[in-house]
Amino acid sequence: GENVEQHPSTLSVQEGDSAVIKCTYSDSASNYFPWYKQELGKGPQLIIDIRSNVGEKKDQRIAVTLNKTAKHFSLHITETQPEDSAVYFCAASIRGYSTLTFGKGTMLLVSP
Amino acid sequence: NAGVTQTPKFRVLKTGQSMTLLCAQDMNHEYMYWYRQDPGMGLRLIHYSVGEGTTAKGEVPDGYNVSRLKKQNFLLGLESAAPSQTSVYFCASSYVGGETQYFGPGTRLLVL
Repeated sequence: GENVEQHPSTLSVQEGDSAVIKCTYSDSASNYFPWYKQELGKGPQLIIDIRSNVGEKKDQRIAVTLNKTAKHFSLHITETQPEDSAVYFCAASIRGYSTLTFGKGTMLLVSP
Repeated sequence: NAGVTQTPKFRVLKTGQSMTLLCAQDMNHEYMYWYRQDPGMGLRLIHYSVGEGTTAKGEVPDGYNVSRLKKQNFLLGLESAAPSQTSVYFCASSYVGGETQYFGPGTRLLVL
């Protein structure tokens, strides 16, 4: 089955800095890669996703890149703000076929 | 549109007691999922359903049972609770498999 590795497990940055979280996946058939943000005491919420027919997707301060050859994808957050502090999860799946396989999460702390 | 709701929000059980967690979604989604979240372990899939009347095992199904009698509801049962089942439980739903999942707010369960 699919295996998703996520790094780092914790990340501390200063407000205004950029943050990068990286994930690798094992199943070359995977074609859907969402990212979730989980704030303290809440359920995970989708923040951005990418499908395997594109290499990069942006939404304001967040972006995701995908390298199918290397089987890795990354979340980039620019101009970080304290409200970006949360746990971020990456996931991978085969659309229409399988369940999502999640990474173990990255705790991001943005200090003012 | 409430999305995904979970009942109860918090529960304390004694070892050996039983309980049922209820998940409801109003998005007419076919797929529903139950996850448990433990520190450092990410989200682990317990059971899932691909439609009314169907259930399937996930990564960590032992000690849990599920039922999907109505499309909008997915029940997770613990027949004889154990301290190892102390966790935060999340329900999620999606329109199709391997696509965006929408999560509920979670149920915090403590087994003494």
